[in-house]
Amino acid sequence: SAVISQKPSRDICQRGTSLTIQCQVDSQVTMMFWYRQQPGQSLTLIATANQGSEATYESGFVIDKFPISRPNLTFSTLTVSNMSPEDSSIYLCSVEVQVETQYFGPGTRLLVL
Amino acid sequence: AQSVTQLDSQVPVFEEAPVELRCNYSSSVSVYLFWYVQYPNQGLQLLLKYLSGSTLVESINGFEAEFNKSQTSFHLRKPSVHISDTAEYFCAVSEPLGSARQLTFGSGTQLTVLP
Repeated sequence: SAVISQKPSRDICQRGTSLTIQCQVDSQVTMMFWYRQQPGQSLTLIATANQGSEATYESGFVIDKFPISRPNLTFSTLTVSNMSPEDSSIYLCSVEVQVETQYFGPGTRLLVL
Repeated sequence: AQSVTQLDSQVPVFEEAPVELRCNYSSSVSVYLFWYVQYPNQGLQLLLKYLSGSTLVESINGFEAEFNKSQTSFHLRKPSVHISDTAEYFCAVSEPLGSARQLTFGSGTQLTVLP
């Protein structure tokens, strides 16, 4: 497995502002993923972030709204831009450490007012 | 495209009773199957997984799941639940997508263990 940390753990933000979420893993990994979990819902994949290449976004998610950085093999950031109350969710990062298996961070709980 | 169905959104059971959380998937290719658990105000933890081999897989805390290819199911069971098992349980399916694999989650089942 892997030890994954996220910062911040939670935040309350005003609409129109942006928040950058950090994800740190204790080992080098090739693939990192960002998910959104809206209140009472399941997880939806936002994008896949591989080191050294542009992130790959899923249908319904765009780079202008959710820019992602992946500067090295242990770190990634997700920015939620120009936030609205609809962006209130839990944002989780995950990594693929063992073959075909993803491990998740503790999540960032975001409330947009 | 793959999809995952968890038929029961909420399952209340009494402590020490058995429980089964149902999961069915739809996929036309070889899949890997997972159960994740989310305790209140926490992230997801991997509970168990099926990649290949024995169709019955077990977790360290007494849960087990059986891959049934003919019924496209991966139901989660525990013979005797504890209060501490109260959590949201997510079934997930991994399917090849190009050169990678895509993980798709079910809608989740809230297990509440009553004293």
